[in-house]
Amino acid sequence: EVQLVESGGGLVQLGGSLRLSCVASGFTFSGYWMSWVRQAPGKGLEWVANIKQDGSEKNYVDSVKGRFIISRDNAKNSLYLQMNSLRAEDTAVFYCVREEKNTFDMWGQGTVVTVSS
Amino acid sequence: DIVMTQSPDSLAVSLGERATINCKSSQSVLYSSNNKNYLAWYQQKPGQPPKLLIYWASTRESGVPDRFSGSGSGTDFTLTISSLQPEDVALYYCQQHFSKGFGQGTRVEIK
Repeated sequence: EVQLVESGGGLVQLGGSLRLSCVASGFTFSGYWMSWVRQAPGKGLEWVANIKQDGSEKNYVDSVKGRFIISRDNAKNSLYLQMNSLRAEDTAVFYCVREEKNTFDMWGQGTVVTVSS
Repeated sequence: DIVMTQSPDSLAVSLGERATINCKSSQSVLYSSNNKNYLAWYQQKPGQPPKLLIYWASTRESGVPDRFSGSGSGTDFTLTISSLQPEDVALYYCQQHFSKGFGQGTRVEIK
């Protein structure tokens, strides 16, 4: 079965850190760009970051630059998001997403990140 | 950055009737080297992740019912549900793949 499974979300204090993970199965993970997309409670979708197949290129939305780091381990079929200096506005469901056909064609179920004061 | 604006924010349509959602981008999302519009449509139901419906503005994703269609080019796009079904009640988002921004979403309900 083709799927993406996220983990690592939870409750963290303002200024804290969290590392999200995503394990891919059912497809050749190393052949795809991968992204993280988030959705704040009751809000719309926001692309956060993406990474090229071999990890050589990474892109971030301005609001997370310098705080979040995306990475991948193709041997483990895994995608990661290291989140530092977390703010209240980072509270969201974070989705692991595959990129294909210039779009986001496969989504995980998401992991919830709550940043509290 | 390219800004995506959807209209309306919500609409209520009778079962079996047509639903039309518009999406406007602040810059063209037509990629000249391959003549493809990097514009996609997603459906999101409560408690679920988004689901890809349409890509390249008008190509239906595998398994998506043919009552869903996309049209438009450049900066103006439309998602049409030709005959609304109960299972189509959801939020719908457009998205451009240059800077990967999404529209604010349109809620579709049954009248």
